[in-house]
Amino acid sequence: GESVGLHLPTLSVQEGDNSIINCAYSNSASDYFIWYKQESGKGPQFIIDIRSNMDKRQGQRVTVLLNKTVKHLSLQIAATQPGDSAVYFCAEEGSGYSTLTFGKGTMLLVSP
Amino acid sequence: GAVVSQHPSRVICKSGTSVKIECRSLDFQATTMFWYRQFPKQSLMLMATSNEGSKATYEQGVEKDKFLINHASLTLSTLTVTSAHPEDSSFYICSAIRGAVQGQPQHFGDGTRLSIL
Repeated sequence: GESVGLHLPTLSVQEGDNSIINCAYSNSASDYFIWYKQESGKGPQFIIDIRSNMDKRQGQRVTVLLNKTVKHLSLQIAATQPGDSAVYFCAEEGSGYSTLTFGKGTMLLVSP
Repeated sequence: GAVVSQHPSRVICKSGTSVKIECRSLDFQATTMFWYRQFPKQSLMLMATSNEGSKATYEQGVEKDKFLINHASLTLSTLTVTSAHPEDSSFYICSAIRGAVQGQPQHFGDGTRLSIL
């Protein structure tokens, strides 16, 4: 079946650097995308979302980019902090559905 | 806002025991809640969609008689793992949607770590 996947399982950055986490999706019918942050032993925490009629959305220190042509989603974190260390998941919702399909996740490690 | 509470956070019990996990939406009504399972270093896998006042919709491969779901009110869904065995040990997470079902983020509880001895 179709699935959402990530290119990098682990990303190590220095504090203050900008981080980019990538996600490839294969379901062209998906029209809603979400990034979640999951810390060890906790549930996923909503970071930012984007609908398919947009290609960029900004939040506080985070930006999500959507490229529907190549079915690619990215999360940019500005001035990465040690508290940003976690596993990041992208998730997609298909048109007409309410269920989410999660990507494999990327571990972000931020060293001081 | 959009707080989801899950209880208990951790359960350790003997094989053959049935375990009930509760998921509550604290500050909103949730017509739809979701139950996921997550193994170490893996992604979340949807088990079932819980609809208030109706039967849950289970994903392919998930035994509905093994994982009983009850969504009796707009703020509470429960997952009961019946006759649990060691292979049922996992991290179970629930989520809920505020308002309209489509195009809204799911808000997650903090999960339940289930360990079957």
